[in-house]
Amino acid sequence: GENVEQHPSTLSVQEGDSAVIKCTYSDSASNYFPWYKQELGKRPQLIIDIRSNVGEKKDQRIAVTLNKTAKHFSLHITETQPEDSAVYFCAASPIRFGNEKLTFGTGTRLTIIP
Amino acid sequence: NAGVMQNPRHLVRRRGQEARLRCSPMKGHSHVYWYRQLPEEGLKFMVYLQKENIIDESGMPKERFSAEFPKEGPSILRIQQVVRGDSAAYFCASSPTATNEKLFFGSGTQLSVL
Repeated sequence: GENVEQHPSTLSVQEGDSAVIKCTYSDSASNYFPWYKQELGKRPQLIIDIRSNVGEKKDQRIAVTLNKTAKHFSLHITETQPEDSAVYFCAASPIRFGNEKLTFGTGTRLTIIP
Repeated sequence: NAGVMQNPRHLVRRRGQEARLRCSPMKGHSHVYWYRQLPEEGLKFMVYLQKENIIDESGMPKERFSAEFPKEGPSILRIQQVVRGDSAAYFCASSPTATNEKLFFGSGTQLSVL
């Protein structure tokens, strides 16, 4: 089955600086890579996703890059703000025949220092 | 659209009792996933169900755990004879299609076993 590793487990950055979180996956069949944000005591929420036919995707201050050859993908947050403080999870899934499940990384606790 | 509804939000059980966790997917969603989250850890897949069918239960412990998604009513995750190690947050997610893109999570049920 799929195995997703995520680094770092904790990350502190000054407000306004950039944050980068990296994930690797093991199953070469994986082709869908979402990122979820979970604030303390709340539900995980999808913030951005990417498919394997795309190398990069941006949405305002958030971007995700994918390197299929190396089997890794990264989340980039620029101009960080206090409300970006949360736990971020990467995930991977093959979407071939349907009925596939997401495999999540172990999460990165991001703290933005004012 | 009320979103994915889980209840109860908090559930306290003594060792040996039964825990029943409920999940009502978003309107129009017929695919339900259950995930377990231990403190400071990621989301671990448990089971994937469609109406009246278990599609993938590879993440479910072999004993004491069961899940259903009847034709009418919410999906139920049932844990019999709970032990302290079952204490965790249990999240339900739903999607409109079998490809599990755009998963929408509920707020979770925090199970505490005394």
